[in-house]
Order: sequence, then structure tokens, then C-alpha cells
Amino acid sequence: QVQLVQSGAEVKRPGASVKVSCKASGYTFTNYAIVWVRQAPGQGLECMGWISAYSGNINYAQKFQGRVTMTTDTSTSTAYMEVRRLRSDDTAVYYCARDRQGAIDPWGQGALVTVSS
Amino acid sequence: DIQMTQSPSSLSASVGDRVTITCQATQDISNFLNWYQQKPGKAPKLLIYDASILETGVPSRFSGSGSGTDFTFTISRLQPEDIATYYCQQYDNLPYTFGQGTKLEIK
Repeated sequence: QVQLVQSGAEVKRPGASVKVSCKASGYTFTNYAIVWVRQAPGQGLECMGWISAYSGNINYAQKFQGRVTMTTDTSTSTAYMEVRRLRSDDTAVYYCARDRQGAIDPWGQGALVTVSS
Repeated sequence: DIQMTQSPSSLSASVGDRVTITCQATQDISNFLNWYQQKPGKAPKLLIYDASILETGVPSRFSGSGSGTDFTFTISRLQPEDIATYYCQQYDNLPYTFGQGTKLEIK
């Protein structure tokens, strides 16, 4: 079955970086884009950006431009999302998900990133 | 970015009730609108895509309608397992954007 499995929870200091991985299985990785969405505690869903696994084209939400990098490794069907210069308000669950022509499905299980001194 | 406004932000209803949530876009997005259900501690689940098409395996009590800027999500007869937060999402333009969510509770 189509599945996205993400890396585990992380605890980081303010100013550090974190890189979350997302391994896809059950479908042809390069046929779809990957979307990254985050959810702060008790808050709603926020789309961070989109990366085509076929072309490598990327679209970042303006809020994350310059601080976030999305990449893919087609040899391992894995997507990565790195956030630099972490702040306390970056504490959130970070989800990767497959973009099925605009419908986001399925989602990874989420990776909790806690930023605390 | 396209802004999505959902209402209400929370809703209390009884089992068997008809529940309606609305979502409004800041510009015409045709039918490029999806609805998700999120239960506590879980990833969101796609329920409806292209504004009105029910995802495979989703109960028929869920439905969606609308086009342009105004959309509606309906649960025809609320069940206890429907307690969750519901989100709309547009995909007319990148970046995709979500409504702020509607938290549904049982009265």
C-alpha cells in the first residue's frame, strides 16, 4: 500500500537546524510531488512548500523562504525537509504527504520537532 | 497566497444531527478544494476532493459542494466517530493553503 514513513522526534536548541526525512513506498516516487505541512501545538495546518519528485521544482511558502530547504533522493524514494535557524515557535509536528493532483494523500505519521533551550 | 476562511471555528452537535461547515476563498478557485478530517494525535485524512467527490472508503454521510469562492461540507447524520477537526484546503495556486479548522464536538 502507499505509505510515507517519517523520521523520529527531535529536540533542538534555538538557532540549530533539523532535517526530517520521509520515505515513500507503494508507488512510483517520481510520478508525484511531496508537500510538507506543519502543525504547531493546538493549531491548524500550515503548508510549508511543495517539491516535484520528478523535476525537483520547488515552491516554498513565502514565510519559509530562505530558512527551509526541500530535497528528494529518487534512488531511495525519500524526501527531506531541513529547517535552519530554529526558533521556539518552530515547535510543531512536521508532516510530509503525497500530492495527488492537489489532493494531499496519504500523509506520513508526522515528526515532532521541539525547539527548547 | 489564497486565504481560506472556515466557519464556524467550533461546533457542538448531537448524534444524528445534520452538520454544515463553510469555507470561503479570497479568490475564485473553481472546484480546486478538498476537505480533511483530523482526529487527535493523528495525521489528517482526505475525505472529499475536487469540492464534491467522495474519497474511496469514506462514508456517504459526508458530502461537499460549491465552486468559485464558496464551499460547503456536510455530515448528514452525525456519528460519534465523526468527532474531529475538519479542514478545507485549496489547490488552485501554490502554496496550498488550509482553512483554520472546525472543531466538532458531541453535545
